[in-house]
Amino acid sequence: QKEVEQDPGPLSVPEGAIVSLNCTYSNSAFQYFMWYRQYSRKGPELLMYTYSSGNKEDGRFTAQVDKSSKYISLFIRDSQPSDSATYLCAMGPVSGTYKYIFGTGTRLKVLA
Amino acid sequence: EPEVTQTPSHQVTQMGQEVILRCVPISNHLYFYWYRQILGQKVEFLVSFYNNEISEKSEIFDDQFSVERPDGSNFTLKIRSTKLEDSAMYFCASSGQENTEAFFGQGTRLTVV
Repeated sequence: QKEVEQDPGPLSVPEGAIVSLNCTYSNSAFQYFMWYRQYSRKGPELLMYTYSSGNKEDGRFTAQVDKSSKYISLFIRDSQPSDSATYLCAMGPVSGTYKYIFGTGTRLKVLA
Repeated sequence: EPEVTQTPSHQVTQMGQEVILRCVPISNHLYFYWYRQILGQKVEFLVSFYNNEISEKSEIFDDQFSVERPDGSNFTLKIRSTKLEDSAMYFCASSGQENTEAFFGQGTRLTVV
């Protein structure tokens, strides 16, 4: 089983839709969870950062962590064409290290 | 807003040549990282650096790679003898404390020909 699994998409939604992006992981020791947005040929841009379980909201974005299910989600409300990008989950650290593991990324297209 | 900056944005080099990728982390950050992303693949960890030494490195980070913090602001990645398979986007990141969110630069696209 891969340490972090993420559906690569592409995921196409109409403008204004609620988008749900997800990652599953296998390492129960992971405590820190991040979501990044990456536009084509650009660096990852940090969107959300959460520690342990629970929800965190920032504007149109909500991050959820369910450690019991080893499942994390990012919700985007009122999606816009400018949200079209690849969304990467990252988590860690791997025990005894500073290393974070990235998912493969989900490509999102928001259609005007 | 503070950001991580990387130079150059694109570097083309011949196989076997040495390259140095440069990064200026966020000024009060203490933990520094290099990641790479081969086109169409996932972001992969290369190395972490803290207190002027490598704290963790991946199996990708072999003897051809080295990192340095030559002064108080720059953080560099050197590839001694580049190979075709080193072609990738290289991202520098920094974080302020242990096990907190990492902020990434815009990346350097390295093309080895």
